[in-house]
Amino acid sequence: QLQLQESGPGLVKPSETLSLTCTVSGGSISSSSYYWGWIRQPPGKGLEWIGSIYYSGSTYYNPSLKSRVTISVDTSKNQFSLKLSSVTAADTAVYYCARHILDSSGYYYSGWFDPWGQGTLVTVSS
Amino acid sequence: NFMLTQPHSVSESPGKTVTISCTRSSGSIASNYVQWYQQRPGSAPTTVIYEDNQRPSGVPDRFSGSIDSSSNSASLTISGLKTEDEADYYCQSYDSSNHQVFGGGTKLTVL
Repeated sequence: QLQLQESGPGLVKPSETLSLTCTVSGGSISSSSYYWGWIRQPPGKGLEWIGSIYYSGSTYYNPSLKSRVTISVDTSKNQFSLKLSSVTAADTAVYYCARHILDSSGYYYSGWFDPWGQGTLVTVSS
Repeated sequence: NFMLTQPHSVSESPGKTVTISCTRSSGSIASNYVQWYQQRPGSAPTTVIYEDNQRPSGVPDRFSGSIDSSSNSASLTISGLKTEDEADYYCQSYDSSNHQVFGGGTKLTVL
């Protein structure tokens, strides 16, 4: 059974860089059928997709966050990571990683997210 | 850019049927698949419908999805409501510009 687990600091100072890692177990991150994604949820609010990565390193990002986001993959460790720079209080959220399944349309930007990690709360505060 | 608009909340009694809508602001709802997620308090989302109307294994057939091109909307219908269905529900779709987009979520109360 595939499982994902987020890890990283729970508190980040304003203007600094948020860094999180997602460890995948029970399956290989190098599967050709999937991307791997990051999604966040501010407290009491809805879901926002941040970006997704293929095991080859190919990425695509939410246009509204693209200038501050970097997602990378380490296939040797079965992990992928998120960096979000110049954070503000508006970046306070629960951050989830998830397997990104491409749908039958074949578009690289298609698909859905399943399963998800349990999520990790990151607070931006001095 | 497109948005997916959902009602903020819906409520219904146990045993009844409820439908949650998800309206696409621009572009055809039928042009890209729609997914639905259930999120119980304090938990991560789980998929209840993918590719408009497909149920993952383990999701009861009380959950169904559909698309209506005339209203440019997707719908999630839950029949035979149970108290355990009380949760937030999110729709999600995509396009070549915005990539992945989630609706704002609907709080379902089963009372």
